[in-house]
Amino acid sequence: EADIYQTPRYLVIGTGKKITLECSQTMGHDKMYWYQQDPGMELHLIHYSYGVNSTEKGDLSSESTVSRIRTEHFPLTLESARPSHTSQYLCASSSLNTEAFFGQGTRLTVV
Amino acid sequence: GQQVMQIPQYQHVQEGEDFTTYCNSSTTLSNIQWYKQRPGGHPVFLIQLVKSGEVKKQKRLTFQFGEAKKNSSLHITATQTTDVGTYFCSFSGSARQLTFGSGTQLTVLP
Repeated sequence: EADIYQTPRYLVIGTGKKITLECSQTMGHDKMYWYQQDPGMELHLIHYSYGVNSTEKGDLSSESTVSRIRTEHFPLTLESARPSHTSQYLCASSSLNTEAFFGQGTRLTVV
Repeated sequence: GQQVMQIPQYQHVQEGEDFTTYCNSSTTLSNIQWYKQRPGGHPVFLIQLVKSGEVKKQKRLTFQFGEAKKNSSLHITATQTTDVGTYFCSFSGSARQLTFGSGTQLTVLP
């Protein structure tokens, strides 16, 4: 079983609130990713990281930010949540040219 | 940037029928991976293909990588209800990010 964890699993929050979605992995993977996915739909890459202090924006425009201060930790922050941010957020990690392991996801609802 | 088209978007089959999903790229891929996502779950890795013309099998699943390394397919023989889910291909983009195809949702009718 993959050792990658996301918290919280579910979150309902009001518009304008600041939130941080947590993602941690214990596999020592250099690469980490954040994807946004609506039910049954495409996986949209919003941020990724090659290693500590390295972060890049993905294809999906997003008002979120990430940090990678430690190898195992890759949190995603929304400075001001909006209803359009309602979605599932999936974190993944991998080594070079190997399979990606996904966390269980965070289902975010902004009301 | 690099684009991968995955077709079909949806497929409904009767249990016991075969199923195939295709990924087509406009550029040569260094490798391609396939994932399965069950309803309500997260993507789970199935296989990685690296070599031109490579064919790999996992029980009823057959994976192919085209000779030009621009297309790939996943074929399921005699589908079962446990095969239900969305199948994604993925590849490492030019900036080394992991990008996914749009997915094929498979429904298996009992």
